[in-house]
Amino acid sequence: DAKTTQPTSMDCAEGRAANLPCNHSTISGNEYVYWYRQIHSQGPQYIIHGLKNNETNEMASLIITEDRKSSTLILPHATLRDTAVYYCIVRGGGFGNEKLTFGTGTRLTIIP
Amino acid sequence: DGGITQSPKYLFRKEGQNVTLSCEQNLNHDAMYWYRQDPGQGLRLIYYSQIVNDFQKGDIAEGYSVSREKKESFPLTVTSAQKNPTAFYLCASSRGTGATSGANVLTFGAGSRLTVL
Repeated sequence: DAKTTQPTSMDCAEGRAANLPCNHSTISGNEYVYWYRQIHSQGPQYIIHGLKNNETNEMASLIITEDRKSSTLILPHATLRDTAVYYCIVRGGGFGNEKLTFGTGTRLTIIP
Repeated sequence: DGGITQSPKYLFRKEGQNVTLSCEQNLNHDAMYWYRQDPGQGLRLIYYSQIVNDFQKGDIAEGYSVSREKKESFPLTVTSAQKNPTAFYLCASSRGTGATSGANVLTFGAGSRLTVL
């Protein structure tokens, strides 16, 4: 699986957009980009995923660069409940790609 | 509602004892996983199972054992051979091998916190 690089921590003011970057320069053509978050002492929660195109759901938007070597997770209007560790992961889909490795992620703190 | 149930939420163990953590899912997912998380660290894969009666070692399988006798259940046993078992354990599931293409999204349980006294 491609390795990802994320900043260790970030702050964002409540109500503003939180933009979390992720570098995955060794990503291969069939690998998806996934984002999860983990609120303290809970299980990780799936946020969004994408392959090539930008994606949006009720939680967030995912912007993937044209060369796919980096991506940005956008929380459009951050609230205090968005304080969590955010994990960016890349891996292939389909059979034989069951292993999923989580790094240390980005600790996002929303400031009142 | 569909989901993953882990039990117990908190568990204390004396050194030398084996303990078993339960993980049950009603999502009809083929694949199930066990991860370990230490304070301030990411998740490390212990074991995973793509189908009933089959499982593979992850990155840190030593001192652990699993079984997959039913699709819904994937219990993890922390044996006395595990030198540093105090950690937060997370179970997850996904569509897994049923999906021949496309993304593979994991659903996680709430976790079990094991403390060795």
